[in-house]
Amino acid sequence: QVQLQESGPGLVKPSGTLSLTCDVSGGSSNWWSWVRQPPGKGLEWIAEIHHSGSANYNPSLKSRVTMSIDKSRNQFSLKLNSVTAADTAVYYCARHRITGATLGDYWGQGTLVTVSS
Amino acid sequence: QSALTQPPSASGSPGQSVTISCTGTSSDVGSYNYVSWYQQHPGKAPKLMIYEVSERPSGVPDRFSGSKSGNTASLTVSGLQAEDEADYYCSSYAGSLYVFGTGTKVTVL
Repeated sequence: QVQLQESGPGLVKPSGTLSLTCDVSGGSSNWWSWVRQPPGKGLEWIAEIHHSGSANYNPSLKSRVTMSIDKSRNQFSLKLNSVTAADTAVYYCARHRITGATLGDYWGQGTLVTVSS
Repeated sequence: QSALTQPPSASGSPGQSVTISCTGTSSDVGSYNYVSWYQQHPGKAPKLMIYEVSERPSGVPDRFSGSKSGNTASLTVSGLQAEDEADYYCSSYAGSLYVFGTGTKVTVL
């Protein structure tokens, strides 16, 4: 069974850097994504990364986001810098279906990150 | 890239059908047959219900069906059950990026 688990600090100071890691077990894929959901609001795609390391970013976040992958450790990561209160959200990591362009056939449980001093 | 437009809410009685629309543009929904639908219960991660416009992942009941016409995709839930009460989001591939819908809260009356 494919499992994804997010980890990282639950509290980040304004202007700081949000760093999260997603550990993957039980399955592989070509593409992996990060998605976030502010409290009480909808889903927002942040970025995706290919197992080769090539990444694509949401244009609205591109200047602040970096995604990386470590195949040897079966994990991928997200860094979001210059955070503000607007970045407070539940952050999910998700796997893409192996064929086609569908994100989220498997999801992590999500981790709440609060931006506050 | 703007969010896809969904109605904020939809409802139906048990056994009835409900259809949710998802309107995008010629840059996303209209250009690709990579529209997905997700179900999200409160406090839970989204669950993939439909992919590639009308395909169902293994384990998803055939009460859930999807379609697309032009820039608008639709999700129909037939034979509504109490456990179908949730938020539903559409998503579309848009060429090296993805866009989600605004979300629809489905209430089973």
